[in-house]
Amino acid sequence: GAVVSQHPSRVICKSGTSVKIECRSLDFQATTMFWYRQFPKQSLMLMATSNEGSKATYEQGVEKDKFLINHASLTLSTLTVTSAHPEDSSFYICSAIPATGSSYEQYFGPGTRLTVT
Amino acid sequence: AQSVTQLGSHVSVSEGALVLLRCNYSSSVPPYLFWYVQYPNQGLQLLLKYTSAATLVKGINGFEAEFKKSETSFHLTKPSAHMSDAAEYFCAVEGAGNMLTFGGGTRLMVKP
Repeated sequence: GAVVSQHPSRVICKSGTSVKIECRSLDFQATTMFWYRQFPKQSLMLMATSNEGSKATYEQGVEKDKFLINHASLTLSTLTVTSAHPEDSSFYICSAIPATGSSYEQYFGPGTRLTVT
Repeated sequence: AQSVTQLGSHVSVSEGALVLLRCNYSSSVPPYLFWYVQYPNQGLQLLLKYTSAATLVKGINGFEAEFKKSETSFHLTKPSAHMSDAAEYFCAVEGAGNMLTFGGGTRLMVKP
């Protein structure tokens, strides 16, 4: 089956620093990847849609300058949290849609837990 | 616009009992509907999906869901709960651009 990985799985950083999270589709090419954040005991909220070779589309209320998304290849999208603050602490999950196949097949990564101290 | 409502943020059942997790949706077009399961500190795993074929959809781990257009529902069931079923369950509807809108989630607890 299609596998999506995220790295790192867990990261702790100091307030004011930047953190990069990688999302990789391991055995398929993905023209579209999504980034979600999930606060404790809450549902997933879509942050942005990442399309290979073009600028990401951000959801309302998500700061594009704070959450930088780069989808440089068909198997890799990165989310950089710039100047992180404690309120950015969350569980970040990516998903990817294969470039070929059914449009409703969306595969999720295992998530990255970010803690900002 | 799509929306999803999951009634009951917490559901507790005894091992061996019926599991029923409720999901109601709102969609302006024929929906694609999904149920995902999330174990602690992990991503989402697809349980099953409805894509306008059979209204009764069978998924993994003995789960199934029935699409009822008249009730705008897509409830998830399992005849006999197992301890390993304890997890968070999310119902989702797909909108434009393959974007998923998730319900608030239901935490299933299974008592021995």
